[in-house]
Order: sequence, then structure tokens, then C-alpha cells
Amino acid sequence: EVLLQQSGAELVRPGSSVKISCKASGYTFTDYYMHWVKQRPEQGLVWIGRINPANGNTVYAEKFKSKATLTADKSSNTAYMQLSSLTSEDTATYFCTTVRDWGQGVMVTVSS
Amino acid sequence: DVVLTQTPPTLSATIGQSVSISCRSSQSLLHSNGNTYLHWLLQRPGQSPQLLIYLVSRLESGVPNRFSGSGSGTDFTLKISGVEAEDLGVYYCVQGTHAPWTFGGGTKLELK
Repeated sequence: EVLLQQSGAELVRPGSSVKISCKASGYTFTDYYMHWVKQRPEQGLVWIGRINPANGNTVYAEKFKSKATLTADKSSNTAYMQLSSLTSEDTATYFCTTVRDWGQGVMVTVSS
Repeated sequence: DVVLTQTPPTLSATIGQSVSISCRSSQSLLHSNGNTYLHWLLQRPGQSPQLLIYLVSRLESGVPNRFSGSGSGTDFTLKISGVEAEDLGVYYCVQGTHAPWTFGGGTKLELK
């Protein structure tokens, strides 16, 4: 069974950074791109970018190029997303997904 | 960026009723490799999205065959032949032919 297990909810200060994780199991981690998706409360889905875990190559949506950094650790089958210079606009749930399978989502709340 | 326009935004249905959701793209989703990377997702309340249909018309494993997808180029349709209570939630189309990936605005399926 494929499982994408994401890290827990985060409460962070404006201007800070946060790094969330997505541990994959049940399949060969390097066989599928890992995508990251943002969902603000009661809103739709927005694609942030994707990483190829096999070689670390990344593609970002333009609006997230200076906001998100995607990495992957093949040794632990874990993908990471770091979000920087956080503002209230970054308060959202963030999903990792291979498209076929989805993590449970991480709620990031930016508040002073 | 490719814009996906979903209609209707809200759909009220009775159990057993057949319904359709349209997803229109601002440009052709036919990739140069011959595939059309248009997929359909369902997000039930409080849950992560799940893949229903991939590559326009291929039913994801475990998804009931009352779901079907069709279309080509810029016009795509998801049909549910006989709505069941578990089908309630928000449906999204998503395209992966052109970077960045983009999602439709969603169609909320409610019980009438």
C-alpha cells in the first residue's frame, strides 16, 4: 500500500520559514515525481511545483519560485518543502502528491 | 498558464441521478508525445483529494465504474452515472500537459 505521510501542523511567525516533510512508502520513491499543492481555507487547489526524486530536478510555478524550495532525500524516501518569508497569505494546507496518491496534508498557520 | 474552466460550480443531485461536469481548457492539452494529461479528482469534506480518472478516460484502480471521463483537445467531461451519497464533495480537473500544472476551480456536488 502506498502511503505519503506528512509532518504535523505548524504555527509559525510572520517572516519566518517552515520546512514540511512527506515520507513515501509502498513504492519506489525515485519512480514518480512528487508534486506539492496549496489549498487555502475553503478555496481550490494551487500547484506549487514538483521534484524528480531520482535527480533532484525541480519545476516551480512562477508565483512560488521565491517562496518554496523543494528537496528530496533518496536515502529516507522523504520529500521536503521549505516555505520562506511567511505571511498570512501562506496560511493554508499543503499536500504532497504523486497525483495517484496524496498525503494527508499539513496545515500551516502564520500568525503572530 | 493554462486556464481550466469548470462548469457548473455547484451541482445539486438526487441519489441515483446521472450528472456531468465540464472542464474546458484555454489551450489544447494534447502533449507532443500523444498523451493528454487531463485528470479528475474528488475531494470529500475534510479529506485529501483522490484520483478518479487519469489521462482523460482511464479509471483509477478501486474507483467505481459509475465514473467515466471523456473528451479531447480542450473540452472534457466527467460523468457520474447514478450518484451515490459517497460521491458528495468537490470535483477538480487538473492538467499536467503544460507547466505549470493547473487546476479547475472545482465543482461542488451536493444532495438536492
